[in-house]
Amino acid sequence: GQSLEQPSEVTAVEGAIVQINCTYQTSGFYGLSWYQQHDGGAPTFLSYNALDGLEETGRFSSFLSRSDSYGYLLLQELQMKDSASYFCAGVHGSSNTGKLIFGQGTTLQVKP
Amino acid sequence: ETGVTQTPRHLVMGMTNKKSLKCEQHLGHNAMYWYKQSAKKPLELMFVYNFKEQTENNSVPSRFSPECPNSSHLFLHLHTLQPEDSALYLCASSQDRDGGKDTQYFGPGTRLTVL
Repeated sequence: GQSLEQPSEVTAVEGAIVQINCTYQTSGFYGLSWYQQHDGGAPTFLSYNALDGLEETGRFSSFLSRSDSYGYLLLQELQMKDSASYFCAGVHGSSNTGKLIFGQGTTLQVKP
Repeated sequence: ETGVTQTPRHLVMGMTNKKSLKCEQHLGHNAMYWYKQSAKKPLELMFVYNFKEQTENNSVPSRFSPECPNSSHLFLHLHTLQPEDSALYLCASSQDRDGGKDTQYFGPGTRLTVL
């Protein structure tokens, strides 16, 4: 089957660094995406890893190891506005039939 | 604002009602998606349209009927729903269907309650 595992909740303090892990069991995934969703809001794209290694976008970085079926999202210099749910999503299919298979999401609570 | 709008934002309906959800994207994208988001569960892909053609039906019950009259509009027609269908229904669009490369832009969702 296809499934992605994430911790359900993470708590951290403002200014800290937090890592949200994502492990997956599936075949046919060719990348890993991350989305952020604030309470009551729409999911918004954060990052995409097609290759192994680290992708950095400002305070957020994402890592993928396809051999380990593992990735993570790293959030640095946490701010209160980073309190949200974070979803990893495996990219399944081929280049013109791709679809996202989402994990259950990790609720991040940033405390003062 | 993501460029994807959904109406209505909230909907309460009885099990015998017929209603429709509407999604419109102003991004010039070719692919559109319906997702279901229930509490404590992953987003579930329901349908995918690419260039107005349905390319994916993820084993969705027939009481959900999608319609894509053009690349900018997507509807989800609902009839004889069950209480367990209560959820947030999200519409998304992407330039094409290259999965991760083609970022999906989500609308704000319709919060559906079935009584």
